[in-house]
Amino acid sequence: NAGVTQTPKFQVLKTGQSMTLQCAQDMNHEYMSWYRQDPGMGLRLIHYSVGAGITDQGEVPNGYNVSRSTTEDFPLRLLSAAPSQTSVYFCASSYDPDSPLHFGNGTRLTVT
Amino acid sequence: AQKITQTQPGMFVQEKEAVTLDCTYDTSDQSYGLFWYKQPSSGEMIFLIYQGSYDEQNATEGRYSLNFQKARKSANLVISASQLGDSAMYFCAMREGGDSNYQLIWGAGTKLIIKP
Repeated sequence: NAGVTQTPKFQVLKTGQSMTLQCAQDMNHEYMSWYRQDPGMGLRLIHYSVGAGITDQGEVPNGYNVSRSTTEDFPLRLLSAAPSQTSVYFCASSYDPDSPLHFGNGTRLTVT
Repeated sequence: AQKITQTQPGMFVQEKEAVTLDCTYDTSDQSYGLFWYKQPSSGEMIFLIYQGSYDEQNATEGRYSLNFQKARKSANLVISASQLGDSAMYFCAMREGGDSNYQLIWGAGTKLIIKP
């Protein structure tokens, strides 16, 4: 059982470049989310989805887009990378609100 | 105001001692859930324990227990008989509101170092 698969593990971008972080889960979870983790801070929610075709903004959505065309996949797009987006990104999913989040292994993104 | 406060940025504890990691929360909702996660230096996020606001008993999972004091709005994590492998960042998180709210609010974390 793969759980949550997140790629890539590392990425370096130049300012202005775009990219997509991939996230897939095989647990048939309706809820999926993207977080960023910065030093000295807890995780901050970027975008989330409660099912295929449904997405919504979290706490820090600016500069990011998401889509949810299938239950399994929830990619995160950086439209025009900025140094402020240098962070560790986590994708997570859960079965219901009181179930624990299953996390991917994270993507360390550096924008120069 | 901070919704989740973890007042201990870092802690050193001797191996085999018990550890209490503090977490206080702020919500006006009657229904909410509290989670603790561990993040080792390798970076993955590992779920430890969950407490629902209506649960009458404190949650326990092996060496982990949650000291839930609702009136004080605190949800401290207790690790019994600490081990070297417990060295990690620990995060407290809260889900507020009804069944349709999946969003978690996270504390800044506590870095726990277990000394041999």
